[in-house]
Amino acid sequence: QVTLKESGPALVKPTQTLTLTCTFSGFSLSTRGMRVSWIRQPPGKALEWLARIDWDDEKFYSTSLKTRLTISKDTSTNQVVLTMTNMDPVDTATYYCARGGYGAYDLDYWGQGTLVTVSS
Amino acid sequence: QSALTQPASVSGSPGQSITISCTGTSSDVGGYNYVSWYQQHPGKAPKLMIYAVSNRPSGVSNRFSGSKSGNTASLTISGLQAEDEADYYCSSYTSSSTPVVFGGGTKLTVL
Repeated sequence: QVTLKESGPALVKPTQTLTLTCTFSGFSLSTRGMRVSWIRQPPGKALEWLARIDWDDEKFYSTSLKTRLTISKDTSTNQVVLTMTNMDPVDTATYYCARGGYGAYDLDYWGQGTLVTVSS
Repeated sequence: QSALTQPASVSGSPGQSITISCTGTSSDVGGYNYVSWYQQHPGKAPKLMIYAVSNRPSGVSNRFSGSKSGNTASLTISGLQAEDEADYYCSSYTSSSTPVVFGGGTKLTVL
């Protein structure tokens, strides 16, 4: 049974760095072909893809946010961490992590999401 | 502004069929068979409904089908049911910049 769960602060101040952790079970990120992505969704708005890390430690980032994002993995604890620097109120959103599916660029299992509010 | 264009809303009556379009370019939808569709109920995480243009994950009803023609992908839901009322998002691999782009989402109302 594949599960993912996001954790992190619910509230961050502008200019601070956000650190989110995705803890998963039911698969291993050291297995060939496995991938974990981060996606966010501002309240009432569309999904936005942020970053991805693959089993071989290859990393991909949103072009518009690349300078602010870092993704990493710890296969021993089944966790993927996303950091986003210089947070701004426009970064207020629900942040999801999701597993890459069979189609190479689809996301077949999602976490429940965690709402992050950026406010002073 | 999202990279992929979807209608803001569609509606249909129970039992009818509806189609949601997702228009991109030759750098994404038109150039690759990596289109996915997600269903999202209010307050819930998205759920994968279609991957690689027309493939259904295990457990997804065969009332959901996907296709593509040129730069436009489509999600068709047949035999509409009340539980299908949700937001639907398409996504695609893109060679132009960010590897994955989403559409702006379509709100499906079952009348």
